[in-house]
Amino acid sequence: KAGVTQTPRYLIKTRGQQVTLSCSPISGHRSVSWYQQTPGQGLQFLFEYFSETQRNKGNFPGRFSGRQFSNSRSEMNVSTLELGDSALYLCASSLGHRETDTQYFGPGTRLTVL
Amino acid sequence: DAKTTQPPSMDCAEGRAANLPCNHSTISGNEYVYWYRQIHSQGPQYIIHGLKNNETNEMASLIITEDRKSSTLILPHATLRDTAVYYCIAPNAGGTSYGKLTFGQGTILTVHP
Repeated sequence: KAGVTQTPRYLIKTRGQQVTLSCSPISGHRSVSWYQQTPGQGLQFLFEYFSETQRNKGNFPGRFSGRQFSNSRSEMNVSTLELGDSALYLCASSLGHRETDTQYFGPGTRLTVL
Repeated sequence: DAKTTQPPSMDCAEGRAANLPCNHSTISGNEYVYWYRQIHSQGPQYIIHGLKNNETNEMASLIITEDRKSSTLILPHATLRDTAVYYCIAPNAGGTSYGKLTFGQGTILTVHP
């Protein structure tokens, strides 16, 4: 079974721009979670989508948004980019969103904001 | 999530067993313990999880104390490729964590030749 895929793998943007990242979950998985990883803050939960609905959200500003499609693929969008948004963005998929549903992570998208 | 505490770093000789401890003294009776690892700049990799009983898979063994206040991840024969940051996580109990895993700082395991 193919793993979680994320595109693009690397991205360079400038301040003020917006960016869209894509995540394709493992086949059959209905939950997709997004995380941001920075050297200073570590791995932080952004939000989770299940059946096209956002079910949980971390403590991030409204510039960070996402959506999930009927095939469970998910996108996240960051508007009005700031230098501090430079990070590794990870998505993880799981069958459901219970604590017993193991999350499997993709390789991440490395975003650099100049 | 239950708070977990791990040593910041550990060393291990190649071929020897690596035993990584985790304290989760506030864990509730139905909270699982998950272990992930992250090799530099890659996505975290799931290793193993357990509730009460010891667990073993092709990657590692998980030993959970009877009072469930701590656990140990065992890599039986560490290799250089096991050098990574290891995270111990206890997602919210109650049946639905809604996708949220709370990662601490983890343990940096360095395997030496």
